[in-house]
Amino acid sequence: GAVVSQHPSRVICKSGTSVKIECRSLDFQATTMFWYRQFPKQSLMLMATSNEGSKATYEQGVEKDKFLINHASLTLSTLTVTSAHPEDSSFYICSAELAGAHTQYFGPGTRLTVL
Amino acid sequence: AQSVAQPEDQVNVAEGNPLTVKCTYSVSGNPYLFWYVQYPNRGLQFLLKYITGDNLVKGSYGFEAEFNKSQTSFHLKKPSALVSDSALYFCAVRVLNTGNQFYFGTGTSLTVIP
Repeated sequence: GAVVSQHPSRVICKSGTSVKIECRSLDFQATTMFWYRQFPKQSLMLMATSNEGSKATYEQGVEKDKFLINHASLTLSTLTVTSAHPEDSSFYICSAELAGAHTQYFGPGTRLTVL
Repeated sequence: AQSVAQPEDQVNVAEGNPLTVKCTYSVSGNPYLFWYVQYPNRGLQFLLKYITGDNLVKGSYGFEAEFNKSQTSFHLKKPSALVSDSALYFCAVRVLNTGNQFYFGTGTSLTVIP
């Protein structure tokens, strides 16, 4: 139980294009999902907290117009990197919270490379 | 401010020996504590958590951790290490009155030597 999927697992795009990453909770409903960014050999950096049906809460320094988050249902949140640049290349990980368990369950991550 | 410290970037242990990965925390309020493991190019896998109750919690793959309130620690342990335990381990803390945010440590790379 408590499985979270991410799609795609890997994406390569040209500079200036937009990329959408999907995060799904497969066997539970998640009122809250989180988006993280991880640089090589570093810890996770929380980008935003996404609540179903409401606007995401972004961490300080994260551009909300660049990293668009939509949490349209209790099982799906999407992160769109708009007008991607090489410095956006990173490993993006989502997580979903199992209500009442106080635990986040993580997706397998998406490796984004912007050329 | 809430924070988590993993004082060791790297831990090496021989296969079959006991392993310990250290974690200390600093929070205002009652902590919820977690351990996650990350294999290369993968997301984090939940290992175990302490919410309340018995200070010794047992988790997946034979791991356990002990909540020590006086030392503000939550060290991860396993009696006998396997080569397949080699991975990156993250400690995390959450305090409900600060919202939903988890605070992650910087990670400890564990290498089990055959």
